[in-house]
Amino acid sequence: AQSVTQLDSQVPVFEEAPVELRCNYSSSVSVYLFWYVQYPNQGLQLLLKYLSGSTLVKGINGFEAEFNKSQTSFHLRKPSVHISDTAEYFCATLSGGGADGLTFGKGTHLIIQP
Amino acid sequence: DSGVTQTPKHLITATGQRVTLRCSPRSGDLSVYWYQQSLDQGLQFLIQYYNGEERAKGNILERFSAQQFPDLHSELNLSSLELGDSALYFCASSVGDRGGWSYTFGSGTRLTVV
Repeated sequence: AQSVTQLDSQVPVFEEAPVELRCNYSSSVSVYLFWYVQYPNQGLQLLLKYLSGSTLVKGINGFEAEFNKSQTSFHLRKPSVHISDTAEYFCATLSGGGADGLTFGKGTHLIIQP
Repeated sequence: DSGVTQTPKHLITATGQRVTLRCSPRSGDLSVYWYQQSLDQGLQFLIQYYNGEERAKGNILERFSAQQFPDLHSELNLSSLELGDSALYFCASSVGDRGGWSYTFGSGTRLTVV
């Protein structure tokens, strides 16, 4: 079964600083990777996804992620964070073909300090 | 508003009881997925229905069951509740039966078992 590992449970960063949230996945023939964000008391919102093609994926709210096959990573980055980015971020993977459910990492809590 | 409606938003019940959580998918979506988010287990896929038929099963306990009705809304039934069943239960929907890459999540039902 495919899996993802989020290496940091919490990441504190100052406002307007860059941030990287790390995610590693278990290697497989077909890899589909996602980043979701969960704001306090809300559901999950898709930030971006990698299905195939360009390894640099741009998402909403200024986030981007790079698929790195050799390092089996899919790290999320933002060049300058805002207070409103405070949230829980989840990396997820999907088995080939889109069937079954998403497998989520444990989540990374992004804490923006003023 | 994501278009996926979950009711109720909050539910408090006692151990041993049975509850029903409801999900109305986004208009036009035929698949409904249920997820559980708990402190211990994180986000876990429970079950998927597509156009009234069970399509995929994840880590769903035998005490839990689900169904999808002709109008495409779905219900998740949780019985013989235990303290450990306290969690946030999310529903997601997609157009097709292999829609893992195009989910829309609802805002969840928070279940507290006392």
